[in-house]
Amino acid sequence: DGGITQSPKYLFRKEGQNVTLSCEQNLNHDAMYWYRQDPGQGLRLIYYSQIVNDFQKGDIAEGYSVSREKKESFPLTVTSAQKNPTAFYLCASSMQGTEFFGPGTRLTVL
Amino acid sequence: GQQVMQIPQYQHVQEGEDFTTYCNSSTTLSNIQWYKQRPGGHPVFLIQLVKSGEVKKQKRLTFQFGEAKKNSSLHITVTQTTDVGTYFCAGPRKGAGNMLTFGGGTRLMVKP
Repeated sequence: DGGITQSPKYLFRKEGQNVTLSCEQNLNHDAMYWYRQDPGQGLRLIYYSQIVNDFQKGDIAEGYSVSREKKESFPLTVTSAQKNPTAFYLCASSMQGTEFFGPGTRLTVL
Repeated sequence: GQQVMQIPQYQHVQEGEDFTTYCNSSTTLSNIQWYKQRPGGHPVFLIQLVKSGEVKKQKRLTFQFGEAKKNSSLHITVTQTTDVGTYFCAGPRKGAGNMLTFGGGTRLMVKP
């Protein structure tokens, strides 16, 4: 069963802690993306990767970091430098420009 | 920079009424895509339009791509409660390969 998985679905962390969100895909897509969505808002691009071992900053990369060591995996770390980390985080991969999204992780920082 | 805008931001309709959302780009697009995000869910690809003036239908949904390839619309007839969600348009980012720029979305609420 092909698709994109994100875990966990809900995540709670204390302020000042780094947290890593998982994103895995078995669609054999080269490109992967991380978006942030705040309540009632659109999608803002955090980081993207067009190919393994390469990634670029998106529109709101400050306070976040990523790695792309495997084609299937694109984890996102929300660092303590991110001022307002509470949000819904969506991972996506793409083939020929059409994006397929994972179910998302809701991060709440207390 | 390139911008993709959607109006309206919110729309309340009575079940059975029609609904339209409009998407406008500051630059010419090679294609336009539409996605739907149900409440609490993730965006799901609906359709892609490529040709100038193209019109595509999916049951009660009609998608149009403008002649100048800078605007698009999604029209839903006889809305149902299952149509509730946020509809996003997206176009390729300038100079960024296949990456997309998403509009802000139109949130549709349907009163039964």
